[in-house]
Amino acid sequence: SQQGEEDPQALSIQEGENATMNCSYKTSINNLQWYRQNSGRGLVHLILIRSNEREKHSGRLRVTLDTSKKSSSLLITASRAADTASYFCATAARLNSGGYQKVTFGTGTKLQVIP
Amino acid sequence: NAGVMQNPRHLVRRRGQEARLRCSPMKGHSHVYWYRQLPEEGLKFMVYLQKENIIDESGMPKERFSAEFPKEGPSILRIQQVVRGDSAAYFCASSPHINTEAFFGQGTRLTVV
Repeated sequence: SQQGEEDPQALSIQEGENATMNCSYKTSINNLQWYRQNSGRGLVHLILIRSNEREKHSGRLRVTLDTSKKSSSLLITASRAADTASYFCATAARLNSGGYQKVTFGTGTKLQVIP
Repeated sequence: NAGVMQNPRHLVRRRGQEARLRCSPMKGHSHVYWYRQLPEEGLKFMVYLQKENIIDESGMPKERFSAEFPKEGPSILRIQQVVRGDSAAYFCASSPHINTEAFFGQGTRLTVV
């Protein structure tokens, strides 16, 4: 079953505004990661938040994690046109055997920041 | 420390041919993941490997697709007898151990004509 589901699917805002994207998942996780992908390019890792953490900051990014609701949010403050990209959450969940973890991605939020 | 290296970046194959996609993980990383991305869609998990072992291949089609991560050399995703529906971007990611972020390559864009 799909682990991460992002919401909204698409978001269009003016430069300078804040952008909030949400991610919900279904099973217990080790950590949750957010990635960014520019059109036709590879993925860039933004931030990782572990299951025992509730909030993390990195520059203009703020990530929260609510394990009781199985959800996370990514906030980009003071958005810029260069933030235009697709944003994906990825959950790392422990597999049954050997202590390995599997990383699965959500469907992504397409963010457009209008100059 | 070079990032995750995937090659080729672009690959064109005719229907029925074989496609071999290579992924060299970052130095010191023993966990490798392969994902497929169709245009305008998210990444779909295919397979998770550790050196010489397939840990989870639940996302890989049962036929025509195979993956390996030998003791020496890159991880290989092999698609036999390609069909048009195999056209997609294939991404590889690596991590040093569990509970850390995965680092992605730039992907291989496969086009089947």
